Amino acid sequence: GQQVMQIPQYQHVQEGEDFTTYCNSSTTLSNIQWYKQRPGGHPVFLIQLVKSGEVKKQKRLTFQFGEAKKNSSLHITATQTTDVGTYFCADGTGGFKTIFGAGTRLFVKA
Amino acid sequence: DAGVIQSPRHEVTEMGQEVTLRCKPISGHDYLFWYRQTMMRGLELLIYFNNNVPIDDSGMPEDRFSAKMPNASFSTLKIQPSEPRDSAVYFCASSRTGPHEQYFGPGTRLTVT
Repeated sequence: GQQVMQIPQYQHVQEGEDFTTYCNSSTTLSNIQWYKQRPGGHPVFLIQLVKSGEVKKQKRLTFQFGEAKKNSSLHITATQTTDVGTYFCADGTGGFKTIFGAGTRLFVKA
Repeated sequence: DAGVIQSPRHEVTEMGQEVTLRCKPISGHDYLFWYRQTMMRGLELLIYFNNNVPIDDSGMPEDRFSAKMPNASFSTLKIQPSEPRDSAVYFCASSRTGPHEQYFGPGTRLTVT
């Protein structure tokens, strides 16, 4: 069925290093959303991408939507300990039935 | 502006008991979603409402699960009877614009023993 695959499942980085998580789909996506969930917390909406090749930035976070709208990435420059958590991509293509990826859990060592 | 409110935050119950989870969406949001999160299955959409009407309940696992939204400011998710495999964190989310930009509540951690 419709699903989005996220890689990697886990990532350990040293504070100051960069981090990237990828989201891939076998089908074309109408839009993709990114959420962050801190340990013990709830998912928090970060951004939505709609256009082919779209790039959006939020401070140290850069979000990209692939030209074919089948993949997306989230890149964090110079990670900080406050970046720890799980990053989810979510496919909003199927009407209102948002499908969340399995997430990438980020660990940052100070 | 208050966010999505859920109660209780934690619930421990015995197998076979009825469990009711509650949610108050953000005022003005006309979409409400119920999710379940487990380590094994991740974040799953159970059901969502638009203007208090259930639109898609295909994610509801079994007839033991039911959800209602009697008015724009209140929804419940009921499990009757509960089973240990229902143990999970249940999130309620609301949205003004449909499936996008959902605002999640703090969740209810349910443990069924």
